[in-house]
Amino acid sequence: DIQMTQSPSTLSASVGDRVTITCRASQSVSKWLAWYQQKPGKAPKLLIYKASSLESGVPSRFRGSGSGTEFTLTISSLQPDDVATYYCQEYNSYSWTFGLGTRVEIK
Amino acid sequence: EVQLVESGGDLIQPGGSLRLSCVASGFAVSDTYMNWVRQAPGKGLEWVSVIYSDGSTHYADSVKGRFTISRDNSKNTLYFQMNSLRAEDTAVYYCARGGTLLWGQGTLVTVSS
Repeated sequence: DIQMTQSPSTLSASVGDRVTITCRASQSVSKWLAWYQQKPGKAPKLLIYKASSLESGVPSRFRGSGSGTEFTLTISSLQPDDVATYYCQEYNSYSWTFGLGTRVEIK
Repeated sequence: EVQLVESGGDLIQPGGSLRLSCVASGFAVSDTYMNWVRQAPGKGLEWVSVIYSDGSTHYADSVKGRFTISRDNSKNTLYFQMNSLRAEDTAVYYCARGGTLLWGQGTLVTVSS
């Protein structure tokens, strides 16, 4: 099974800061990597698919990059509405694997 | 509108059974692969099962032999039959489309006496 290592587990930054979350796969998942935002009591919201494609309606301050085993989600200018937990997900294999999540807080 | 709507979650006693449904709109569940993903309270996301367009299925070890994924093409609905439920199966269950990713809003299953 593919393992997804996501870091950091918690991140505290100021409004306007650039924020980066990293996800590393134990084997290549090619471009089949998604990023989700989840707020308490809500379903995960798709932000990025195929590693770098922005889902319709998602603000352009969210950017995904990477391929193979190393991936990054960048928020170019952190906003109060971005407080949430973020998950990476590989969907290259039949059994999807998720990172453990990164909780993003405002300092 | 392209969407997935789950239902069927409930409070159920250990050892009991429950069937979840996921109605798809805007696409055919038979044309793609469909998944169930769950999230225990305060925990992360866990994939549990998939059904492919050819009908083949796979399960996480944690539910293998107890849960069954299926679909009714005429109703464009995905199902998840859950038997021999345990306390550790307590979670919000999401159905999710593969390929072009799409998730439902989830349905809560609570296993408790």
